Amino acid sequence: DGGITQSPKYLFRKEGQNVTLSCEQNLNHDAMYWYRQDPGQGLRLIYYSQIVNDFQKGDIAEGYSVSREKKESFPLTVTSAQKNPTAFYLCASSIDPQGGTKNIQYFGAGTRLSVL
Amino acid sequence: EDQVTQSPEALRLQEGESSSLNCSYTVSGLRGLFWYRQDPGKGPEFLFTLYSAGEEKEKERLKATLTKKESFLHITAPKPEDSATYLCAVYGGATNKLIFGTGTLLAVQP
Repeated sequence: DGGITQSPKYLFRKEGQNVTLSCEQNLNHDAMYWYRQDPGQGLRLIYYSQIVNDFQKGDIAEGYSVSREKKESFPLTVTSAQKNPTAFYLCASSIDPQGGTKNIQYFGAGTRLSVL
Repeated sequence: EDQVTQSPEALRLQEGESSSLNCSYTVSGLRGLFWYRQDPGKGPEFLFTLYSAGEEKEKERLKATLTKKESFLHITAPKPEDSATYLCAVYGGATNKLIFGTGTLLAVQP
């Protein structure tokens, strides 16, 4: 089955710890995205990547880092600099981010991150 | 500033009671409006995309319409399994990114 796999489903972070959220897609999509979802707020873009070895900051990139070494994979690291990391994190992908029918974003099942 | 506003925030319907959800937007140069369904604890599921005023799309009990300022998601004779949060997003404007509304939480009671 084609799709986007996020892992783990639940993650706990200790004070001062960096944690990495995994996102893998087998849809052969060029573009991948990371969003953060908090209660009562719309999805907010953290980082996105349009091509391997390239990525751009979204609206709330501070305290996060990403890499895009393979087309299929776009891991997100939540660093200790992110002081309020508790949220639901969503990964998405699209064929082409430039517009039209090719920029429909498909989402994974999400990772819920909590602070211990 | 590009913006998406959804209303109402929450809606409770009886099974079979038809209604509409609203998504109003301000964006220069709309290049797509998207509707998603999100179940609790899960990722959004794509429903529809609309590109120009007057366009309509249908899927089972759902019908999405688009004008130059807003989109409606019409739900005809809803069932309890239609209960979910419905998200609207627009693509276009200066940011060249997908901008999401905060969603409408729909509860359909049997």
